[in-house]
Amino acid sequence: EAGVTQSPTHLIKTRGQQATLRCSPISGHTSVYWYQQALGLGLQFLLWYDEGEERNRGNFPPRFSGRQFPNYSSELNVNALELEDSALYLCASSLQGFVPSGANVLTFGAGSRLTVL
Amino acid sequence: DAKTTQPNSMESNEEEPVHLPCNHSTISGTDYIHWYRQLPSQGPEYVIHGLTSNVNNRMASLAIAEDRKSSTLILHRATLRDAAVYYCILSGRDDKIIFGKGTRLHILP
Repeated sequence: EAGVTQSPTHLIKTRGQQATLRCSPISGHTSVYWYQQALGLGLQFLLWYDEGEERNRGNFPPRFSGRQFPNYSSELNVNALELEDSALYLCASSLQGFVPSGANVLTFGAGSRLTVL
Repeated sequence: DAKTTQPNSMESNEEEPVHLPCNHSTISGTDYIHWYRQLPSQGPEYVIHGLTSNVNNRMASLAIAEDRKSSTLILHRATLRDAAVYYCILSGRDDKIIFGKGTRLHILP
C-alpha cells in the first residue's frame, strides 16, 4: 500500500514568489493535515482538511492557504514568500469517521523542503 | 499551543528500558494521548495512543496515570534505531493535533 506522498521533495523560491506543495493521502483516508517544521523546531499545525472542507487552522497568516480535492489529495499554497517560510512542510493523512474523534492516527509523508532566498 | 510538557532530552543505554515522561495537566475527558516519533530526516511516525487504560503494542507500552494528568512511554529494550525526537500530544474533539517540542532521545552504545 502506498503511503502519503508529497511533492516536490525540494523547492527553492525567492522572496515574494508563491509556492505550491502537494500531498496525496493514503488510499481511503479522507483527512489531510499540514504542518510546518522550521529547522531545529517542532511541528507547527497549519491546516486540517476533511471531506473537501477546511476544518481547522493554526496561527498562520492568510497567505498560507490550501484546498482539498474530490480525490482527497491536497495542495498548500504560500503566497508572498518570506525568508522565515523556509522549512520542511509535512503532510499527514488519517481515516475519519470510523473511530471516535481524537483516536485518529496520523500517517505522515516525508515532507517538502521549501527554501526561500 | 502545545498542551503537553516533556523534557527536552534524555539519554539511555542500548538494550535497556527507556521511560519517557509527559505531563498534560489540562487534559479533558475526551482527549486521547498519542505518541509519535521523528527519526532524523524523516516525517513523524505513529508509536502508540490511549485514552484511560495502559496500552501495549509491538513498538512500545503506554502507561497512563489514574488521573490522566501524566503518561509515560516505555521502550522495553532500546536500540540505536530508537534514537529520535518523541512527541507526546493530545487529540480531542476538534482534532486540531498540536505537537510540542518533544524529547530528543539519545541512545548510548
